[in-house]
Order: sequence, then C-alpha cells, then structure tokens
Amino acid sequence: GAVVSQHPSRVICKSGTSVKIECRSLDFQATTMFWYRQFPKQSLMLMATSNEGSKATYEQGVEKDKFLINHASLTLSTLTVTSAHPEDSSFYICSARVSGRDEQYFGPGTRLTVT
Amino acid sequence: GDSVTQMEGPVTLSEEAFLTINCTYTATGYPSLFWYVQYPGEGLQLLLKATKADDKGSNKGFEATYRKETTSFHLEKGSVQVSDSAVYFCALNQGGKLIFGQGTELSVKP
Repeated sequence: GAVVSQHPSRVICKSGTSVKIECRSLDFQATTMFWYRQFPKQSLMLMATSNEGSKATYEQGVEKDKFLINHASLTLSTLTVTSAHPEDSSFYICSARVSGRDEQYFGPGTRLTVT
Repeated sequence: GDSVTQMEGPVTLSEEAFLTINCTYTATGYPSLFWYVQYPGEGLQLLLKATKADDKGSNKGFEATYRKETTSFHLEKGSVQVSDSAVYFCALNQGGKLIFGQGTELSVKP
C-alpha cells in the first residue's frame, strides 16, 4: 500500500520550453502532496505544498510563476516547469500524505535535463 | 527553527558489521521522527518512524529509539548487507512538513 508514482521518470527538454511532471497516489487518497528538488549528493529541498482544490503554498525563494503546481484531484498533482533553463536541471521528487497521518510517501523521482 | 543533523558520510562497512548512523534534532515540542532510505536513482522509502518519546521504530532489521533526553534518533542495524548500501535520511515532522537531515551515504562491501 501507499504507492506514489511519477511520470515521466526522465525528461530532456530544450531551453525555453515547458515540462509537466505528474505525481499520482495509486492506492490511497492524498489530501496533501509535496514537491521537492534534490541536487546531487544533497538533501531534499521542499519547493511547495499542494492541497487538493486549493492553491499551492510555495517555500521562500521558489518562483511560483516558474513552478506551476496543480492538485486537481485527491490522487493527482502536477508540477509544470515553465520556460525551463539549464539551471532548472535537477531531480524532482513528489510525496503524498494521507489525511490524519504524518508520514509522507515518496514517488520515484523525475530527472529533468534542460539543454 | 526546527532542524535535523546527521553524521557525515560516506560510511563504509564490511558485510555483517554493526551500523550506527547518528541523528540529533532541534525542535519545539515532540515531533514525529522518521528514517527514510534512498537507493541510487530512486525516490525515498519510509524505513521506520517513532511518534513519541521512548518509542522504538523498527523495520528490516533497522531500529531507532526516540530519545527525548538527548534529542536523538540514531539508526542501528546489527548486521548490514551489501543491499543496504544507500543514502539514509533522518527527518522530523514540523507542522505537516518534513525537515530532513543532510543524508548519510552508506556503502557496504562484500
């Protein structure tokens, strides 16, 4: 139980284009989903918290117009990196939390490379 | 603010050796504590958790005890295997968000 999927697992895009990453909770309903960014050999940096049916809450320093988050249903959240640049290349990981529980279940991550 | 500090890696052990990865935290109140494991190229997997003082979380031979007095949650395993090679993250729950330590890379040699 508590499986989270991400799609795609890897994506390469050209500078200036937009990329959408999907995060799905497969066997549970997630009222809250989180998006993280991880640089090589480093810890996870929380980008934003996404609650179903409401606007995402972004962490300080994260550009909300660049990283668009939509949490349209209890099983799906999407992250769109708009006008991507090489410095946006990173490993993006989502997680989901079951209502009333405090642990998070993580997706397998998406490796984004912007050329 | 709340924070988590882990021992620096990489930690290199021989198979069947005893493992300890230290984790200490700073927090107001008594947050839930977690250990997550990340295998190469993958997301994080919940390894174990403890929700209150003196609780012991355990899974797959790994254990960690929530020590309020020393604000610690050290991860231990009596006999590591090559397949335990991964990065281990200690974390606490702060208002619904996870605060992670910097991660400790473990490498187990046959």
